[in-house]
Amino acid sequence: QKEVEQDPGPLSVPEGAIVSLNCTYSNSAFQYFMWYRQYSRKGPELLMYTYSSGNKEDGRFTAQVDKSSKYISLFIRDSQPSDSATYLCAMIRSNDYKLSFGAGTTVTVRA
Amino acid sequence: EAGVAQSPRYKIIEKRQSVAFWCNPISGHATLYWYQQILGQGPKLLIQFQNNGVVDDSQLPKDRFSAERLKGVDSTLKIQPAKLEDSAVYLCASTPLGETQYFGPGTRLLVL
Repeated sequence: QKEVEQDPGPLSVPEGAIVSLNCTYSNSAFQYFMWYRQYSRKGPELLMYTYSSGNKEDGRFTAQVDKSSKYISLFIRDSQPSDSATYLCAMIRSNDYKLSFGAGTTVTVRA
Repeated sequence: EAGVAQSPRYKIIEKRQSVAFWCNPISGHATLYWYQQILGQGPKLLIQFQNNGVVDDSQLPKDRFSAERLKGVDSTLKIQPAKLEDSAVYLCASTPLGETQYFGPGTRLLVL
């Protein structure tokens, strides 16, 4: 079983829709949670970073963490074609600060 | 602030050949990482440097992969000899101590 599970999709939504992305994890040592966005032929770029359970908003993006269920989510409101990318969840273990990635979900927002 | 630089961007080689990738991290970033990202998967850590010392190379296939960061700045990753399954994007990332990792654009390797 992988430490971080993420549905690879692909996910295709119309412009303006809400995009919902999820990851689950099995190791309680994960304490820091991130979402990276990766455009085609580019390196991942950090989108959101949180370390506590609950919601964190940044513009059209909301990151949600539920440590009791070992489940994290990313919501994109009013999605735009420029949001079309692969979204990777990532987590850092508190004991060794190792970063573990999910497989990534490919999202296409149709104009 | 300049980002993480990597070269080459693309490389095509035949199996059993050798190849080297170069990374220049963000200035002042002490920690440097090399990741392998196979198509359809998330990045997998190969090696982590703290300045010029290796912190973690537990997932580096040491029979064929090697990496160095001699002066604590630039780093090179080498594969010798390459196998078909080494076809992937090789990402370099850097960070100040324990903080967010910043990724370079990656080197896309195709082994034929």
